[in-house]
Amino acid sequence: DAKTTQPNSMESNEEEPVHLPCNHSTISGTDYIHWYRQLPSQGPEYVIHGLTSNVNNRMASLAIAEDRKSSTLILHRATLRDAAVYYCILRAGNTGTASKLTFGTGTRLQVTL
Amino acid sequence: NAGVTQTPKFRVLKTGQSMTLLCAQDMNHEYMYWYRQDPGMGLRLIHYSVGEGTTAKGEVPDGYNVSRLKKQNFLLGLESAAPSQTSVYFCASSSDRADNSPLHFGNGTRLTVT
Repeated sequence: DAKTTQPNSMESNEEEPVHLPCNHSTISGTDYIHWYRQLPSQGPEYVIHGLTSNVNNRMASLAIAEDRKSSTLILHRATLRDAAVYYCILRAGNTGTASKLTFGTGTRLQVTL
Repeated sequence: NAGVTQTPKFRVLKTGQSMTLLCAQDMNHEYMYWYRQDPGMGLRLIHYSVGEGTTAKGEVPDGYNVSRLKKQNFLLGLESAAPSQTSVYFCASSSDRADNSPLHFGNGTRLTVT
């Protein structure tokens, strides 16, 4: 399974944009890039996903490099409620192959006033 | 719409005891997963299922068994609990397509084995 690499932790000031990087140099052509976040004492929750093009939703934006070997989750204005562990994972788009969905240790985002 | 429901929320077992964790989803999802989460180790996949009646091993399957007799339920069993199985267990479900279906997680079961 293709792996992802993320920084262990990042800090941001409230109301400022946050760029969370993820490297996935062994990504295959059918892998989708998914981002999840986990708030304290909760299960992970879906944030955004994409294949090749940049994606936007109400929570965040996902910028995918042209060679797809890296991606960046963008929180446009961080709030204290965005403090969480953010996971970047790859999910096989080929439905003939069961995806094991490996989660790494993620990036712990701290947001300060 | 309840989503993914895990029971129980908390449990304390003695070494050697057995128990079953239940995961139920009401979204008609094909795929279901069991993860464990330990401090500093992210989430590790224990077992997963790609449909009713099927199961497969994940990264850390030893000491656990699973069953998917009904599409909406995925059971995780510990036949003889060990202190190393103290962890928070999360269940998740998804449809069979990565391009249009995120994973939906339950709120976890905190298990302590003494």
